[in-house]
Amino acid sequence: DVVMTQTPLSLSVTIGQPASISCKSSQSLLYSNGKTYLNWLQQRPGQAPKHLMYQVSKLDPGIPDRFSGSGSETDFTLKISRVEAEDLGVYYCLQGTYYPQTFGGGTKLEIK
Amino acid sequence: EVQLQQSGPELEKPGASVKISCKASGYSFTGYNMNWVKQSNGKSLEWIGNIDPYYGGTSYNQKFKGKATLTVDKSSSTAYMQLKSLTSEDSAVYYCARWDRYDVSMDYWGQGTSVTVSS
Repeated sequence: DVVMTQTPLSLSVTIGQPASISCKSSQSLLYSNGKTYLNWLQQRPGQAPKHLMYQVSKLDPGIPDRFSGSGSETDFTLKISRVEAEDLGVYYCLQGTYYPQTFGGGTKLEIK
Repeated sequence: EVQLQQSGPELEKPGASVKISCKASGYSFTGYNMNWVKQSNGKSLEWIGNIDPYYGGTSYNQKFKGKATLTVDKSSSTAYMQLKSLTSEDSAVYYCARWDRYDVSMDYWGQGTSVTVSS
């Protein structure tokens, strides 16, 4: 199975400051069709995961543009340009290039 | 509005089976596969498998073969997951999530169903 490794495990950010989360895969996520199936999800406390982004950098409808994604092959990054209070929770990366789909271990974002 | 409404919490004894439901609304049920995901102790997530509601075809994570069985009822737009031979390792929150095969993403999630296995 493809192993997804996220860092850091947790980060504490002041409102209005940027945040960055790294996700590395054990194999390239570039599929034979030229697309890279790397997703990001957010899980707020006590809630179900919510899908944020697909194919590395494409935001789901309604997701604020302070969220952005980048990367290729095996290295990916989720950035929040200016953290807001509602951004607290755990962020997961998810690869869909290979079966079984696998998730990163999660990064907990706390607000200072 | 797409909604996935899951059944309520379950408390089961070791060795028993449980069947969780996920009722879909707001979209064409047979147009999207349904995934199931396990979250143990508030930790990370594991993909269990998915089912094509139109044809009934399934794909499972090898880890959950023999443990989970996915089915659907097209007439009620409901997906089901049965877990058998329950042990304490099966205590977790289980989510259904719609699968967008074009974007390759789990774009909508149910609220989760807690399963507790205890004697």
